[in-house]
Amino acid sequence: DAEITQSPRHKITETGRQVTLACHQTWNHNNMFWYRQDLGHGLRLIHYSYGVQDTNKGEVSDGYSVSRSNTEDLPLTLESAASSQTSVYFCASSSGGPRAGELFFGEGSRLTVL
Amino acid sequence: AQSVTQLDSQVPVFEEAPVELRCNYSSSVSVYLFWYVQYPNQGLQLLLKYLSGSTLVESINGFEAEFNKSQTSFHLRKPSVHISDTAEYFCAVSERDSSASKIIFGSGTRLSIRP
Repeated sequence: DAEITQSPRHKITETGRQVTLACHQTWNHNNMFWYRQDLGHGLRLIHYSYGVQDTNKGEVSDGYSVSRSNTEDLPLTLESAASSQTSVYFCASSSGGPRAGELFFGEGSRLTVL
Repeated sequence: AQSVTQLDSQVPVFEEAPVELRCNYSSSVSVYLFWYVQYPNQGLQLLLKYLSGSTLVESINGFEAEFNKSQTSFHLRKPSVHISDTAEYFCAVSERDSSASKIIFGSGTRLSIRP
């Protein structure tokens, strides 16, 4: 069965360290997204990609970067982790057209920055 | 730019009571509308969607939502809730007529069911 997986599921790091969260999907979807989830804020879009070599900034992109070298993967990098980036991160993917809004989510990566 | 407002952050109800979770959106273009559900310690799952056609859409577990263009609303309802419906519910919007469209979520409504 097709799926979307995130790793690691839990990560504790220190302020200033670089962290990369992996996202891998086997749906063959063109669209991939990274969200962060915080109490009171719901899901906020960090970065998104509509295909290989395409990346776009979302509403809370500062301090984060992504790259899309193939269809399956969209890793999220925190260049220099900050305590404000402690959050639960969700990766999602979707196909195009009317189904673009039908997202398939990973199970989340809980990141703690000390 | 699109935005989604969920008016209630928490909704407590008794088991077997009806419930309505409110969602209003703002957009300069036509949109598709979605409700997602998140059970504890899980990712989000699509609950139901409005793409076109009938403005009343239903899920397999008894929820329904009605698209009201004049009021820019997409409220979620269930006539009788169960303990298993305890979860957080997110309303979301994406642009119509775009093959590549970002999806914007509301801040979520936590539904808690009392026995």
